[in-house]
Amino acid sequence: DGGITQSPKYLFRKEGQNVTLSCEQNLNHDAMYWYRQDPGQGLRLIYYSQIVNDFQKGDIAEGYSVSREKKESFPLTVTSAQKNPTAFYLCASNPDRGAVGTNEKLFFGSGTQLSVL
Amino acid sequence: RKEVEQDPGPFNVPEGATVAFNCTYSNSASQSFFWYRQDCRKEPKLLMSVYSSGNEDGRFTAQLNRASQYISLLIRDSKLSDSATYLCVVNGRSSNTGKLIFGQGTTLQVKP
Repeated sequence: DGGITQSPKYLFRKEGQNVTLSCEQNLNHDAMYWYRQDPGQGLRLIYYSQIVNDFQKGDIAEGYSVSREKKESFPLTVTSAQKNPTAFYLCASNPDRGAVGTNEKLFFGSGTQLSVL
Repeated sequence: RKEVEQDPGPFNVPEGATVAFNCTYSNSASQSFFWYRQDCRKEPKLLMSVYSSGNEDGRFTAQLNRASQYISLLIRDSKLSDSATYLCVVNGRSSNTGKLIFGQGTTLQVKP
């Protein structure tokens, strides 16, 4: 079955530590996205990538980094510079690079809950 | 002003009730509108797209009012399984990148 796989489901970070959240898709989608969700809040865009080897900052990129070396993979690193990392992180993909007038339906992974020890 | 605003609720309704949610958006150039459903600590899932002419899918009806810049979701004959958070989603300012803006969600609790 095609889909998006996020791992781990739960992750704990110590002070000053970098952690990496995995996102893999076998849908052959061009565009991939990382969102952060805080309790009672909507999803906020961290980074997105419309094609391999290219990515763009979203609205809250500070303290995060990404890479897109392969079409199917878009890992997110939460660096020590992110002072409030506790949140639910969602990865998503879209088949059409997100252009207007095309299918903007997002396919989501099941999420990673990151907490600080 | 937030780009997409929703009443967070919660809306507590009995089974069988009809309930409606509204969502306002600030960018008059927005072209794509969606309702997503999210269960607690799960990923959002597309419920329905919202078309200019309005659209219906079973007990769910979505409508768009461009003049007043809001979209609505009507749920008829509510079921216990409808209990969830409903996210309003609109394509954002940088629309050529397909950046979608999510509202904070409206929580629905359907009681027996």
